[in-house]
Amino acid sequence: AQSVSQHNHHVILSEAASLELGCNYSYGGTVNLFWYVQYPGQHLQLLLKYFSGDPLVKGIKGFEAEFIKSKFSFNLRKPSVQWSDTAEYFCAVNAGRGSTLGRLYFGRGTQLTVWP
Amino acid sequence: GAGVSQSPSNKVTEKGKDVELRCDPISGHTALYWYRQSLGQGLEFLIYFQGNSAPDKSGLPSDRFSAERTGGSVSTLTIQRTQQEDSAVYLCASSSRGASGETQYFGPGTRLLVL
Repeated sequence: AQSVSQHNHHVILSEAASLELGCNYSYGGTVNLFWYVQYPGQHLQLLLKYFSGDPLVKGIKGFEAEFIKSKFSFNLRKPSVQWSDTAEYFCAVNAGRGSTLGRLYFGRGTQLTVWP
Repeated sequence: GAGVSQSPSNKVTEKGKDVELRCDPISGHTALYWYRQSLGQGLEFLIYFQGNSAPDKSGLPSDRFSAERTGGSVSTLTIQRTQQEDSAVYLCASSSRGASGETQYFGPGTRLLVL
């Protein structure tokens, strides 16, 4: 079965600091990769996704992620965080194109706290 | 357009009672998923419906859990004889598979508390 690891459970930053959240997955085939965000009191929202093509993908609110196939990684980055980025971030994977199994495998989540 | 909706938003029940949770997917989405989010277990897959195919029930934790999807749209997740460990947020997601992949869109969840 696939698995997803998020290395940081809780990250605390000051505003304007740079952010990188790690995500590694285990699956030998083609994958689709996602980052979802859950703001306090809100539901899961898609931040960005990778299906194919350019391994550097840009999402909403200035976030980007880079797919490095050789490292089975899909790390999330933002050059300068804001207080409003305080949220829980989830990395997720599902089997890629052509598969009949669409279920997502989620990491355990990283709680990001940004101090103003 | 409208997103995925779920009802009720909160449910408190007594141990041993049955509960039904409802999900209305995004119109036109052929796939529907149920997940559970709890403090100790993170986000867990429960069940998956894709069109008219047999559902993938591989994530259901016990035979007390069941789900159906009527008319390819609305889905109901039923938990019989609830236990305290069933307390969690139950999330529904729907998607429409595109040429290169699919994106799941999540509802707000139903927060279930079993006393």
